[in-house]
Amino acid sequence: AQSVTQPDIHITVSEGASLELRCNYSYGATPYLFWYVQSPGQGLQLLLKYFSGDTLVQGIKGFEAEFKRSQSSFNLRKPSVHWSDAAEYFCAVFTGGGNKLTFGTGTQLKVEL
Amino acid sequence: GAVVSQHPSRVICKSGTSVKIECRSLDFQATTMFWYRQFPKQSLMLMATSNEGSKATYEQGVEKDKFLINHASLTLSTLTVTSAHPEDSSFYICSARDISSSYEQYFGPGTRLTVT
Repeated sequence: AQSVTQPDIHITVSEGASLELRCNYSYGATPYLFWYVQSPGQGLQLLLKYFSGDTLVQGIKGFEAEFKRSQSSFNLRKPSVHWSDAAEYFCAVFTGGGNKLTFGTGTQLKVEL
Repeated sequence: GAVVSQHPSRVICKSGTSVKIECRSLDFQATTMFWYRQFPKQSLMLMATSNEGSKATYEQGVEKDKFLINHASLTLSTLTVTSAHPEDSSFYICSARDISSSYEQYFGPGTRLTVT
């Protein structure tokens, strides 16, 4: 069965510092991968997605992610974090056979001013 | 584009009563909508998948008689929590898949249900 692991439950970074959120997936075929952000009490906003092609994908708000098949990873990065980036981040994999999204447990990002 | 709304955003109900949550795709047609439940500090758990005009498919462990889902049109799905109990208190989020897309889901803002 497919699964998504986000090893870091909480991450704290200083404003202006770089950020990397880790995501590992388990799925037999090439997955469709997503990163979402959720502010407190809000729904999910799509940051970026990977379906195929270039393994480095650019998203909104200055985020990017790199798909590495050999490591089964899809880590999210941002070169300079802003205080407004503080939120919960979810990695998700879409499995065509299951026709649904499977989410990781999320990473809570705190930004220190 | 691709906006999904949910109503209400917050609801408080008494134990034993039923509450209905609406999920609407505002600017696209959605043959498939999904209902998720999220407990505090936890991830989203898929409850059910609803397809327009047919019965919903529930995930294992989800009581279909308690969480009634109706998807009567291409823009509206409803989740009714019947005979609610305090343990049903949670954050419910819906998502909708555009009829023209096989993979992307657009999420609503969520509904906070509190059962007293």
